[in-house]
Amino acid sequence: SQQGEEDPQALSIQEGENATMNCSYKTSINNLQWYRQNSGRGLVHLILIRSNEREKHSGRLRVTLDTSKKSSSLLITASRAADTASYFCATRDNAGNMLTFGGGTRLMVKP
Amino acid sequence: DAGITQSPRHKVTETGTPVTLRCHQTENHRYMYWYRQDPGHGLRLIHYSYGVKDTDKGEVSDGYSVSRSKTEDFLLTLESATSSQTSVYFCAISGRGQDYEQYFGPGTRLTVT
Repeated sequence: SQQGEEDPQALSIQEGENATMNCSYKTSINNLQWYRQNSGRGLVHLILIRSNEREKHSGRLRVTLDTSKKSSSLLITASRAADTASYFCATRDNAGNMLTFGGGTRLMVKP
Repeated sequence: DAGITQSPRHKVTETGTPVTLRCHQTENHRYMYWYRQDPGHGLRLIHYSYGVKDTDKGEVSDGYSVSRSKTEDFLLTLESATSSQTSVYFCAISGRGQDYEQYFGPGTRLTVT
């Protein structure tokens, strides 16, 4: 079963707008990661946030983590057509060596 | 794709035949993973390896076996392919430690007819 559930499942915006994707999970985590997948390609790691962190930035990406609500959000600012992809959250618990992925959000950025 | 290759990239096979997919890395990473990706299910872990000859099951391991005889190679075998195993298979690697990220291969699209 999936640990993370992304919301929305699909998102369509205009270039220059901000895109926000949310992830909810069920059990305690050590960290949460976001990945991007372009069509027909493998996943690429974007950013990792630890359970004791609340916010993290990387370029145009901003990730927040609320462990009390078991949720995270990924904000992409000033989106570009090249940001069109699927975005996945993945969680790692304290016990295992595995990541558990959510179902993903498909983002389309229209030029 | 971070020194990870998968072969074959595409395969069509018949129900009941054995199939082996290969993942090869040049990064000398300890951990290797096999996932399958299906619409509506995201990525699901099949098996993973934490060293040569050290493997463990993931979420959807039934019908699959793995082997790792060298650090750089991780093989996934479908012992008797079924139509439900039609999927895109991804290999991933990572280093040791809590704060690791995974690096993914380009994927293998497998169709079982």
